[in-house]
Amino acid sequence: EVQLVESGGGLIQPGGSLRLSCAASGLTVSSNYMTWVRQAPGKGLEWVSVIYSGGNTYYADSVKGRFTISRDNSKNTLFLQMDSLRAEDTAVYYCTRLHLRVAFDIWGQGTMVTVSS
Amino acid sequence: DIVMTQSPDSLAVSLGERATINCRSSQSVLYSSDNKNYLTWYRQKPGQPPELLIYWASTRESGVPDRFSGSGSGTDFTLTISSLQAEDVAVYYCQQYYTTPPTFGGGTKVEIK
Repeated sequence: EVQLVESGGGLIQPGGSLRLSCAASGLTVSSNYMTWVRQAPGKGLEWVSVIYSGGNTYYADSVKGRFTISRDNSKNTLFLQMDSLRAEDTAVYYCTRLHLRVAFDIWGQGTMVTVSS
Repeated sequence: DIVMTQSPDSLAVSLGERATINCRSSQSVLYSSDNKNYLTWYRQKPGQPPELLIYWASTRESGVPDRFSGSGSGTDFTLTISSLQAEDVAVYYCQQYYTTPPTFGGGTKVEIK
């Protein structure tokens, strides 16, 4: 069974840093296009970042320069390093796989990040 | 960025009746090189992550019930639930990946009348 399990969320003060992890089973992170999508409380979905199998990375303008997506092939794990966090970064962060370059077909359960003093 | 606009914001449908959700993109999401629309539909039940229903505007994901269908091309798309079931109470989102960044519609909340 293919599964993505996020961890690392929590309560953090504005300006702080947090690193999210996404452990994959049943698929190889390095062979897939892996992404982060977030959802603020009671709001819609917002794409955050993608890492292609070749290693290229892309970011939403709202997080560019503050967030870094990466992966550890030996651990089959995806990461999102989040620095200079702001209140507007408060959201559930989902790890997903991009399938056929069109759709997010596998989703984790999400990890909640709350940025507040 | 491509703006995705869904309508209506919410709708209430009786069990067994048809539900129709619309999605419009601010520019065409039809790739001429492969003649595919890079338009996807998701269902998000309360407290759960989204689940993929339809991609390439009309291709049903494996395991998705055939009461779900997608149609449209270019900039105008429709998700139809032919016979609403209780488990379809959810928020539905459209999304484009014609260009980066991929963008989502604002969502349509479907309830039972």
